[in-house]
Amino acid sequence: DTGVSQDPRHKITKRGQNVTFRCDPISEHNRLYWYRQTLGQGPEFLTYFQNEAQLEKSRLLSDRFSAERPKGSFSTLEIQRTEQGDSAMYLCASSTGTGDQETQYFGPGTRLLVL
Amino acid sequence: GQNIDQPTEMTATEGAIVQINCTYQTSGFNGLFWYQQHAGEAPTFLSYNVLDGLEEKGRFSSFLSRSKGYSYLLLKELQMKDSASYLCAVRDSNYQLIWGAGTKLIIKP
Repeated sequence: DTGVSQDPRHKITKRGQNVTFRCDPISEHNRLYWYRQTLGQGPEFLTYFQNEAQLEKSRLLSDRFSAERPKGSFSTLEIQRTEQGDSAMYLCASSTGTGDQETQYFGPGTRLLVL
Repeated sequence: GQNIDQPTEMTATEGAIVQINCTYQTSGFNGLFWYQQHAGEAPTFLSYNVLDGLEEKGRFSSFLSRSKGYSYLLLKELQMKDSASYLCAVRDSNYQLIWGAGTKLIIKP
């Protein structure tokens, strides 16, 4: 399978714990995006990378969230001191970053439940 | 502010045609995307419009009017598997996608 993959697919944690999610983009894609989605809403942009550089981070994103893409390939999203409001689907998408029709392709998502 | 509006929910009959509308107000425009999302799954790409007019792709077509800030997704010969949410997203002047909340489409036999 050469699509975007995410791990884990599901995560249940207790409030206050730290969690880390991984995303492996399509291999030739140099842009990688993280989104958060809650029920009945569209994806909410969190941050994105061009290769290993983090180019933009949502102003809505608290300091408890951090993302890395150390070698320009896979990326990790860490949430520290989780809160119940962090419960959501966390989506990763990748794209080539070139051309007008730059289409983002999504991974299956990681569903987080904070108890 | 930036805003994407879509109906929350629509119902249609198997075999029929349905049109899902999307209106947008964004800071700049660099293309409009439609995605399909089945419950509990990730969005999958359906179509892309950057110029005015209709783009046809099999049973699905997407229309854009930039002057009106308006798009629609037309689904023909509806099948039960088309039951899903349909998300409209606009790429703004910063080349970021601004997403609507999605339209939940229910197909009845």
